[in-house]
Amino acid sequence: SQKIEQNSEALNIQEGKTATLTCNYTNYSPAYLQWYRQDPGRGPVFLLLIRENEKEKRKERLKVTFDTTLKQSLFHITASQPADSATYLCATNRGGSQGNLIFGKGTKLSVKP
Amino acid sequence: GAGVSQSPSNKVTEKGKDVELRCDPISGHTALYWYRQSLGQGLEFLIYFQGNSAPDKSGLPSDRFSAERTGGSVSTLTIQRTQQEDSAVYLCASSPQGGGSYEQYFGPGTRLTVT
Repeated sequence: SQKIEQNSEALNIQEGKTATLTCNYTNYSPAYLQWYRQDPGRGPVFLLLIRENEKEKRKERLKVTFDTTLKQSLFHITASQPADSATYLCATNRGGSQGNLIFGKGTKLSVKP
Repeated sequence: GAGVSQSPSNKVTEKGKDVELRCDPISGHTALYWYRQSLGQGLEFLIYFQGNSAPDKSGLPSDRFSAERTGGSVSTLTIQRTQQEDSAVYLCASSPQGGGSYEQYFGPGTRLTVT
């Protein structure tokens, strides 16, 4: 069955630097990968979706890449700010018509001023 | 517009009691999902409703868990004879349709504590 792995539980960086978070999937190449942000005590909030045939997707300071050869998606936050501190979750659906998402355990990003 | 709402926000119950958790999805969203998040763990899928189709119950951990969705809108997750391992945050999400191409909108969750 498909598994989503976010190998880094935590990432600490300095304000202004670029944060890079990694998401790996273990089985078939999913048609879509989604990234969410979760703040303590709140539900996840959708950030970006990238399709299998898209190499890169951008939204303001966010960039997501999808490498089907490496079975990996990278999530970048450029010019990071302390307000970017949160847990970031990678997710994909189980495949076919199945609608529910499989989530990684997330990477907790801390941006220090 | 209004987002996904869940009630109660917190629930403390004694082991062995039944609990009901409520989810109000975004109006017009045909897909509704329940997930569970334990401390330090990722989101665990529980059940998925899509329109009038039979729900996908494959994530329910035991037959003590059940859910229904009335009128294609509000959903209730019921846990019977609660156990301490049921303690977690229960998250509901909705999306315009089911499938991995649609973003999911999450509610704030219900924190369940079983004593």
